[in-house]
Amino acid sequence: QQQVKQSPQSLIVQKGGIPIINCAYENTAFDYFPWYQQFPGKGPALLIAIRPDVSEKKEGRFTISFNKSAKQFSLHIMDSQPGDSATYFCAARVNYGGSQGNLIFGKGTKLSVKP
Amino acid sequence: NAGVTQTPKFQVLKTGQSMTLQCAQDMNHNSMYWYRQDPGMGLRLIYYSASEGTTDKGEVPNGYNVSRLNKREFSLRLESAAPSQTSVYFCASSREGGGYEQYFGPGTRLTVT
Repeated sequence: QQQVKQSPQSLIVQKGGIPIINCAYENTAFDYFPWYQQFPGKGPALLIAIRPDVSEKKEGRFTISFNKSAKQFSLHIMDSQPGDSATYFCAARVNYGGSQGNLIFGKGTKLSVKP
Repeated sequence: NAGVTQTPKFQVLKTGQSMTLQCAQDMNHNSMYWYRQDPGMGLRLIYYSASEGTTDKGEVPNGYNVSRLNKREFSLRLESAAPSQTSVYFCASSREGGGYEQYFGPGTRLTVT
């Protein structure tokens, strides 16, 4: 119930391709869905986030698509570049009530973009 | 602004030794978090502090203690290290509680032999 299932574990695309990373969840109490990007040897950094009342959000080349009925959300990277090579984590916020809550992370997708 | 800083960057301990991981943020954030990252496991929350003076257990608190020393600093202590605690530890902070917009430090790589 508290899990976020992320796929694929790894992904290789050519420069200019559109990698898609998918996440699925069961808990309908999740109310905020961020994606984090992590480069080797660094901490994760917030990339983009969406709330469940919105079906799509774009920030630059990064797009989140959200399907509330299917309990799935995905990250699309348009015109991918070698510099996008990193590990991507989806997450979901579990609402404890009031302003309290915390993030549950997926297990990560290692993306390689070949020149 | 340095953001979130962590010390040390690397540490090797023997089983049974103790140590404290230090974390500080200069963004005037209210909430702070400790995570561990293991290969293929994503990030798992150990403890968090929603505000100065409060701490709560996360998903994997066993074997750890925390102290929210002041608004800036949040430390993680291993009283008796075990090989299962070999991991990369990340501290994070956010302006508000509840898990939103977390900013992560660079991590501490800990090996317990």
